[in-house]
Amino acid sequence: DGGITQSPKYLFRKEGQNVTLSCEQNLNHDAMYWYRQDPGQGLRLIYYSQIVNDFQKGDIAEGYSVSREKKESFPLTVTSAQKNPTAFYLCASSMGGHTGELFFGEGSRLTVL
Amino acid sequence: AQSVAQPEDQVNVAEGNPLTVKCTYSVSGNPYLFWYVQYPNRGLQFLLKYITGDNLVKGSYGFEAEFNKSQTSFHLKKPSALVSDSALYFCAVRDTGAGSYQLTFGKGTKLSVIP
Repeated sequence: DGGITQSPKYLFRKEGQNVTLSCEQNLNHDAMYWYRQDPGQGLRLIYYSQIVNDFQKGDIAEGYSVSREKKESFPLTVTSAQKNPTAFYLCASSMGGHTGELFFGEGSRLTVL
Repeated sequence: AQSVAQPEDQVNVAEGNPLTVKCTYSVSGNPYLFWYVQYPNRGLQFLLKYITGDNLVKGSYGFEAEFNKSQTSFHLKKPSALVSDSALYFCAVRDTGAGSYQLTFGKGTKLSVIP
């Protein structure tokens, strides 16, 4: 089945630790995205990548890092510099361009204790 | 800059009644508009999109949306609501004049369908 797989589904970490969230897609999509979701704030774009080995900052990139070494994979690292990392993180992919809709994974819920 | 507004945090509707979830947008060029639905602790599911052409767009699960350029709106509608339609709905816009492929989401509207 084609789709987007995010792991882990739930993650607990202590303050000051870096955390990496995995996102893999087998849809052969060029573009991939990371969004953060907080209650009442909708989705906010962290990073996006249109092609392999290239990515751009979104609206709230501070405290996060990404890599795009393979077309299928777009991992997100939440660093200790992120002031309020507890949130629901959503990965998405699309064919690229202006008209393609995004396909989302099931999300990863990060709780920092 | 592109932006989306969903003016209602919550919409309540009785089962079997028509429902409307409102969305307005602001762009510098032409808009590409999308609706998504999210169930608790799940990812977003695509419902429909407007790219060009007919202003009335039909999508999944009996939903439709009407593009109104003069009012810069893209309201989501369904003729007869089901209890299973209860979820969080997001409107999103991509601006062809912005020079990027970013998709900007509204803050979401919680739809509750009352049996």
